[in-house]
Amino acid sequence: GAGVSQSPSNKVTEKGKDVELRCDPISGHTALYWYRQSLGQGLEFLIYFQGNSAPDKSGLPSDRFSAERTGGSVSTLTIQRTQQEDSAVYLCASSYQGSPATNEKLFFGSGTQLSVL
Amino acid sequence: GDSVTQMEGPVTLSEEAFLTINCTYTATGYPSLFWYVQYPGEGLQLLLKATKADDKGSNKGFEATYRKETTSFHLEKGSVQVSDSAVYFCALGSNYQLIWGAGTKLIIKP
Repeated sequence: GAGVSQSPSNKVTEKGKDVELRCDPISGHTALYWYRQSLGQGLEFLIYFQGNSAPDKSGLPSDRFSAERTGGSVSTLTIQRTQQEDSAVYLCASSYQGSPATNEKLFFGSGTQLSVL
Repeated sequence: GDSVTQMEGPVTLSEEAFLTINCTYTATGYPSLFWYVQYPGEGLQLLLKATKADDKGSNKGFEATYRKETTSFHLEKGSVQVSDSAVYFCALGSNYQLIWGAGTKLIIKP
């Protein structure tokens, strides 16, 4: 597609349930990022993929969070046993090479609003 | 480590007012600097960028100059419009990462 696509756009779940969030990056982009944005807060880095590998997963808040990327394309972020503090907007971004230090820009999806009741 | 400090919001202005949103950074070396904008109901998008000292990024009437001596990248616009209402994020490029400021919500009243 033309842009980064995320699904679902909204997800309401009960505490303790597992959820899967999907990100479809721009075709040809090797770098993929997951961020979390809580209400009124900045962006919290979760994980970075280069191709199918994740050289930096240091931002994942706990072992309930995991992510994978297959075929160098689609990524899924899984949250197990969701808690109310997991409620946030989960943003996905992609870039061609993963080098914003050299001026490369990130393209963002519209995010998934997760609400844990 | 690298960090970005951004002016707290919300910032509320009347239409046609002059806008400044302050951003300062701490970094080793000379990173690329960015302003991203998040309009209501939309995804984050790049507004402007600068790659080296004294560079000026500009887009949609917004400008920001990379000031090495003050480690700043303040966002300015001479005359804001209601359509500029959004959340603005300052960021610096560090290797494969963007280091983000907390964001500044801008509200423009007609």
